[in-house]
Amino acid sequence: EPEVTQTPSHQVTQMGQEVILRCVPISNHLYFYWYRQILGQKVEFLVSFYNNEISEKSEIFDDQFSVERPDGSNFTLKIRSTKLEDSAMYFCASSERGSLDEQFFGPGTRLTVL
Amino acid sequence: KNQVEQSPQSLIILEGKNCTLQCNYTVSPFSNLRWYKQDTGRGPVSLTIMTFSENTKSNGRYTATLDADTKQSSLHITASQLSDSASYICVVSAWTTSGTYKYIFGTGTRLKVLA
Repeated sequence: EPEVTQTPSHQVTQMGQEVILRCVPISNHLYFYWYRQILGQKVEFLVSFYNNEISEKSEIFDDQFSVERPDGSNFTLKIRSTKLEDSAMYFCASSERGSLDEQFFGPGTRLTVL
Repeated sequence: KNQVEQSPQSLIILEGKNCTLQCNYTVSPFSNLRWYKQDTGRGPVSLTIMTFSENTKSNGRYTATLDADTKQSSLHITASQLSDSASYICVVSAWTTSGTYKYIFGTGTRLKVLA
């Protein structure tokens, strides 16, 4: 069964460093999402992406964040200068047709900022 | 303010028993409501998606209800199994002025099923 994959599973970085989290959505899906979950807290929507551009972003998704689909398969989230409070689990998700469609989540990347 | 509140925060039941989880929301304009199951350390898995016009939707032993007038939803789990132990998350999608969607997550109900 097709699934969303994410790499790495765990990333440790120093405060102020740039990180790139990678996701491979399900191949025929057209809508892509990033979410984060700070330990012990609820999942939060970051951004949705369709047709090579951002569809919607939350207040969390400030200028420190960017997303890209560099090729036909990868979908990346870049954090330019990480802060301690960026430590969280980051989930990528994809769906075939948009908001009314089921979103399939990846296993997540745990980001630890020291 | 768009909010999704879930209750109870946590629940312990015996295997084979039924349970019902609650979700109240103040999201507007409403697009759809989803229930997810999230195992510890894993990504959420979709259980049901309901639009404004749907009152109930089932997925195996999971049945979700939606009352759009009172802005309440419930998730009923029948004949619980040990593998049902997880967090159950209610997510409401809201339309935005640009015609896209935002997703507002509840804090979840942590369910533990005991043998």
